[in-house]
Amino acid sequence: SQTIHQWPATLVQPVGSPLSLECTVEGTSNPNLYWYRQAAGRGLQLLFYSVGIGQISSEVPQNLSASRPQDRQFILSSKKLLLSDSGFYLCAWSVGGVKETQYFGPGTRLLVL
Amino acid sequence: GIQVEQSPPDLILQEGANSTLRCNFSDSVNNLQWFHQNPWGQLINLFYIPSGTKQNGRLSATTVATERYSLLYISSSQTTDSGVYFCAVPPTDSWGKLQFGAGTQVVVTP
Repeated sequence: SQTIHQWPATLVQPVGSPLSLECTVEGTSNPNLYWYRQAAGRGLQLLFYSVGIGQISSEVPQNLSASRPQDRQFILSSKKLLLSDSGFYLCAWSVGGVKETQYFGPGTRLLVL
Repeated sequence: GIQVEQSPPDLILQEGANSTLRCNFSDSVNNLQWFHQNPWGQLINLFYIPSGTKQNGRLSATTVATERYSLLYISSSQTTDSGVYFCAVPPTDSWGKLQFGAGTQVVVTP
């Protein structure tokens, strides 16, 4: 069966520090991968999605970037965190196209101080 | 882009009560999903239901695609049903992406 992992689970970082969040999927090949952010417990916002290694599409201009160095690995990064980057970051995967279900990881809670 | 509206925004239920959550969307879709986010933040897939009716235990969902809405029914609610319920649909110009509604916060009291 497929599983999705995210780490770290929680993170407290000072403003201006770098960020690296990791997401890995097991049990499937060539998944579509997604990064979402959730602020204040509601409203998930899609940040990035990837249909293959090295293929990243950005949905929202921002202080963040994403990379997919391996088929089942998706990384969310920032060179300098802002206060507004605080939130709950969720990684998701799916296979196939628009008719396929997305499955979410446990998330990373980021607090920027 | 497609608009997704959920109602009510908040719902307080006594254990054992039934309830209906609604999701309206502004354009035709070929995919609709319902999720439950538990108090620890985990998003759990409930239904993939682009049309018709599905049931899973005490939960059921109905989507009327021609009228652009979906309903989620919770019967005999339990405290473990507490959390936020989201519906999500793909924008018409999207590929694999989902547009989420703002969610319904459900609190089930003993």
